[in-house]
Amino acid sequence: LAKTTQPISMDSYEGQEVNITCSHNNIATNDYITWYQQFPSQGPRFIIQGYKTKVTNEVASLFIPADRKSSTLSLPRVSLSDTAVYYCLVGVWGKFQFGAGTQVVVTP
Amino acid sequence: EAGVAQSPRYKIIEKRQSVAFWCNPISGHATLYWYQQILGQGPKLLIQFQNNGVVDDSQLPKDRFSAERLKGVDSTLKIQPAKLEDSAVYLCASSLFTSSISYNEQFFGPGTRLTVL
Repeated sequence: LAKTTQPISMDSYEGQEVNITCSHNNIATNDYITWYQQFPSQGPRFIIQGYKTKVTNEVASLFIPADRKSSTLSLPRVSLSDTAVYYCLVGVWGKFQFGAGTQVVVTP
Repeated sequence: EAGVAQSPRYKIIEKRQSVAFWCNPISGHATLYWYQQILGQGPKLLIQFQNNGVVDDSQLPKDRFSAERLKGVDSTLKIQPAKLEDSAVYLCASSLFTSSISYNEQFFGPGTRLTVL
């Protein structure tokens, strides 16, 4: 299983862009990179998934360099409601694990 | 579309007692997961089912934990006997299964918060 490393916490102000980088040096050829968001007292919620280059959806963008040894989740113009823990997962069906996550705190 | 249902939401027991958690996945989701999430940590996968078969239970403490999914739909996770270190939130998740090797989005339930005294 690929081990992931993320910053423990990040602070931001409302309206700013937040970029969280996840390191996964031993990513395997078939592994996908997936990000989840978790609010207190709730289960994690899927945000975005990618294999290489850039993926964008209505809430975030995911940047993956050519060597795929890291990835960056970008949250544009965050609001107070984006305060949560963000997890990076690397793997395929049946082989993956959650890391410790990054606590993002957004203040006014 | 109904989400993943779990019950109970909260449970307090004494150490050495037994406890069971129930999960009903999203209709049509063949894959079901049970996670343990200790305060301040990421979810740890305990067991993964594909229909009623086990895909991975390598991190399930089999001397005290058991799980079943007899009809390939809902599932039960049991702890017997409980220890203090079992205090955690137990999350159930489900996902569709496809023949692709890609990772499939998981949908999580609200979890059961277990306190062992």
